[in-house]
Amino acid sequence: RKEVEQDPGPFNVPEGATVAFNCTYSNSASQSFFWYRQDCRKEPKLLMSVYSSGNEDGRFTAQLNRASQYISLLIRDSKLSDSATYLCAVGQRGNNRLAFGKGNQVVVIP
Amino acid sequence: DTGVSQDPRHKITKRGQNVTFRCDPISEHNRLYWYRQTLGQGPEFLTYFQNEAQLEKSRLLSDRFSAERPKGSFSTLEIQRTEQGDSAMYLCASNNLGVSQSTGELFFGEGSRLTVL
Repeated sequence: RKEVEQDPGPFNVPEGATVAFNCTYSNSASQSFFWYRQDCRKEPKLLMSVYSSGNEDGRFTAQLNRASQYISLLIRDSKLSDSATYLCAVGQRGNNRLAFGKGNQVVVIP
Repeated sequence: DTGVSQDPRHKITKRGQNVTFRCDPISEHNRLYWYRQTLGQGPEFLTYFQNEAQLEKSRLLSDRFSAERPKGSFSTLEIQRTEQGDSAMYLCASNNLGVSQSTGELFFGEGSRLTVL
């Protein structure tokens, strides 16, 4: 089983709609969680860290479910500029690297 | 620009040639990471340094790959006898953490895109 799994999509979202997707991780010892945004042929850039209590940054909301071992990202009021691939990244205690999923490709349609 | 910088940005080479990529991390960062990303995949960990010490290498890092960070500042990643399967984006990232701290946010460079013909 892969360390981090994401459904690559694409997720075609009408402009103004809400889209949500999950990322599952296999190691219960995982302790740091992030969502990165990656535009086509560019480097990943941090979108937001994911905290145990969940957190929100403008139109973006991230949640962590430790019992079921997944994190989620919700984008409200989608903008055309939200079109990108959203990568989930997970770090484990004592393992000094982040493991990434394949990413969720989001295409916001006018 | 004080971010992570990588050079070259693009490299086209013939199978069997050697290539070297350079990464200059953010200046105060003590950790430096190399990842590889192919189309449709997420970044895959290759190796990381804590200052000048290479502390972990992935099994993806075959004998043809070698990475160095001689003075704990910039790093190089060399691929010898390149194969077509080496074609990928090679991403460098850095952050600043103690040895016992688990990985936090990574700051990525723009990557070095390798095409092996």
